[in-house]
Amino acid sequence: DAKTTQPNSMESNEEEPVHLPCNHSTISGTDYIHWYRQLPSQGPEYVIHGLTSNVNNRMASLAIAEDRKSSTLILHRATLRDAAVYYCILRDGLKSGNTPLVFGKGTRLSVIA
Amino acid sequence: DAGVIQSPRHEVTEMGQEVTLRCKPISGHDYLFWYRQTMMRGLELLIYFNNNVPIDDSGMPEDRFSAKMPNASFSTLKIQPSEPRDSAVYFCASRKGGTGELFFGEGSRLTVL
Repeated sequence: DAKTTQPNSMESNEEEPVHLPCNHSTISGTDYIHWYRQLPSQGPEYVIHGLTSNVNNRMASLAIAEDRKSSTLILHRATLRDAAVYYCILRDGLKSGNTPLVFGKGTRLSVIA
Repeated sequence: DAGVIQSPRHEVTEMGQEVTLRCKPISGHDYLFWYRQTMMRGLELLIYFNNNVPIDDSGMPEDRFSAKMPNASFSTLKIQPSEPRDSAVYFCASRKGGTGELFFGEGSRLTVL
């Protein structure tokens, strides 16, 4: 599986935008980029995913570089509830079914009031 | 939907005792995953099922660990005998189809003394 690299930790002020980077230089053409986050004392939860185009949903935006070797998860206005570990994961879209998500260390986001 | 339901939420046991963790996936989901999370190793995939059939158990640490899925609405992860190094949070997750979003339970925190 292609690997992702994320910073260990980041800090943000409340109500400011947050850009969480992810490098995936060995990404293949069929790899989807998934983001999950894990709030304290909870299981991970889905945030967003994309293939080539930028994606938006109610939680966040995903900006994917043109060469797809990096991506950025954007939280438009960080709140204290966004403090979590954010995981960037690649998943091959062609291997339907037998491709469980493999979690790395992720980025621990701290939000300061 | 009730989400993925795990029990017990907390378990404290003594070394050598048998531990059984339980999971009820979301109705209609055909994939079920067991993960383990520790500070040292992060979130590790132990085993996963598709339509109640184990697909990959290569993540199961050793023969002391076993998992079953007797029907579509119930799975167990058993550790016998338990050891202190098994102390971790065990998550169950389920998914509909090969590419769907993964939904996690709240986890079972196991402490083996």
